[in-house]
Amino acid sequence: DTGVSQNPRHKITKRGQNVTFRCDPISEHNRLYWYRQTLGQGPEFLTYFQNEAQLEKSRLLSDRFSAERPKGSFSTLEIQRTEQGDSAMYLCASSFLDHEQYFGPGTRLTVT
Amino acid sequence: AQTVTQSQPEMSVQEAETVTLSCTYDTSESDYYLFWYKQPPSRQMILVIRQEAYKQQNATENRFSVNFQKAAKSFSLKISDSQLGDAAMYFCAYIQGGSEKLVFGKGMKLTVNP
Repeated sequence: DTGVSQNPRHKITKRGQNVTFRCDPISEHNRLYWYRQTLGQGPEFLTYFQNEAQLEKSRLLSDRFSAERPKGSFSTLEIQRTEQGDSAMYLCASSFLDHEQYFGPGTRLTVT
Repeated sequence: AQTVTQSQPEMSVQEAETVTLSCTYDTSESDYYLFWYKQPPSRQMILVIRQEAYKQQNATENRFSVNFQKAAKSFSLKISDSQLGDAAMYFCAYIQGGSEKLVFGKGMKLTVNP
């Protein structure tokens, strides 16, 4: 399967813990995106990479959030000192040149 | 800021019938793209159809077609010959030319009745 993959698919953590999610984009895609989706809402943009460069960050991405794409391939999204409000589905997407973003299955985070 | 509005939270359709999902958007830009995405239960978001704002012709993909009314800022999705597998959340989305940020509506849950 050559689609976007995300790991883990589910994560339960206690408030105050750090968590890290991984996204592997479609292999020839140079653009990678992170979105957050809460129940009953559409996805909200968090950040975007072109190759290894992080070119845009949403104001939703507080200082506790950091994303990297060190070699322009996979990306990680880390949340430090998790809060209950961080509970959501975290979606990764990738694209090549034409604005069509292809989404992964998401990582569902539950903060207890 | 650009916004996307899907005013109908839920709709239902009988199998083999046609259904139209509505979407409006607000932008002052002339260069943009519109999309419909489908999110089946517990499955990933799938791109259904796209429309470039500069194209007058409405996009069509098999049983899926759009009615793009640029002046009215309306972008509806028509699903013909509905199938059970069409049951899902449907999201309308907008992206401004030169941007990489998709702006989504809140989504609409489509139920297909056998």
